[in-house]
Amino acid sequence: DAGVIQSPRHEVTEMGQEVTLRCKPISGHDYLFWYRQTMMRGLELLIYFNNNVPIDDSGMPEDRFSAKMPNASFSTLKIQPSEPRDSAVYFCASSLGGGVLTDTQYFGPGTRLTVL
Amino acid sequence: KQEVTQIPAALSVPEGENLVLNCSFTDSAIYNLQWFRQDPGKGLTSLLLIQSSQREQTSGRLNASLDKSSGRSTLYIAASQPGDSATYLCAVIGYTDKLIFGTGTRLQVFP
Repeated sequence: DAGVIQSPRHEVTEMGQEVTLRCKPISGHDYLFWYRQTMMRGLELLIYFNNNVPIDDSGMPEDRFSAKMPNASFSTLKIQPSEPRDSAVYFCASSLGGGVLTDTQYFGPGTRLTVL
Repeated sequence: KQEVTQIPAALSVPEGENLVLNCSFTDSAIYNLQWFRQDPGKGLTSLLLIQSSQREQTSGRLNASLDKSSGRSTLYIAASQPGDSATYLCAVIGYTDKLIFGTGTRLQVFP
């Protein structure tokens, strides 16, 4: 398997623009996670899905952030409008159906977002 | 609120040394603890996962121990190599079902 795939790898945009990050989880994995990593706050969970259904979005910082998982092989994280403080590396991860508590999460390479 | 701290923040050692990385967490009610490795510009790679009922896990030159009651875990790296250079992160899952990550230890192993 190719692992978790994220696109784009780098994104540079101007404040106010819409940004869409994409993720393809490992085939057969039932859980999908979106994380954000910054120097100040480290790695933080934004939202996670189980079988395409959002389970916990309490980590989503503001209404400007939204995430969808229309099918088992694709998810998007959208920021609209983007702000400079959204600049970070965004990771997608997936895990098998054993559950959040027991299974290893496999991370994608991340998308480095810069908002000017 | 669960807080995870890692000591030291950075470590530079010569090749061949045995290393110990430390992780502490404030809430001992966890389901498991995981150690990850992160290389610059890349995602995280899971190294070891220790369930709350376990005391340690081993993989090759890596050994992770867990003392849940004291809120501590250590990652032991035997015979370190330059290829071990990376940032090492520990993370715990508790009742919130979320991975809470530590601050990381940046390791450099020089030849």
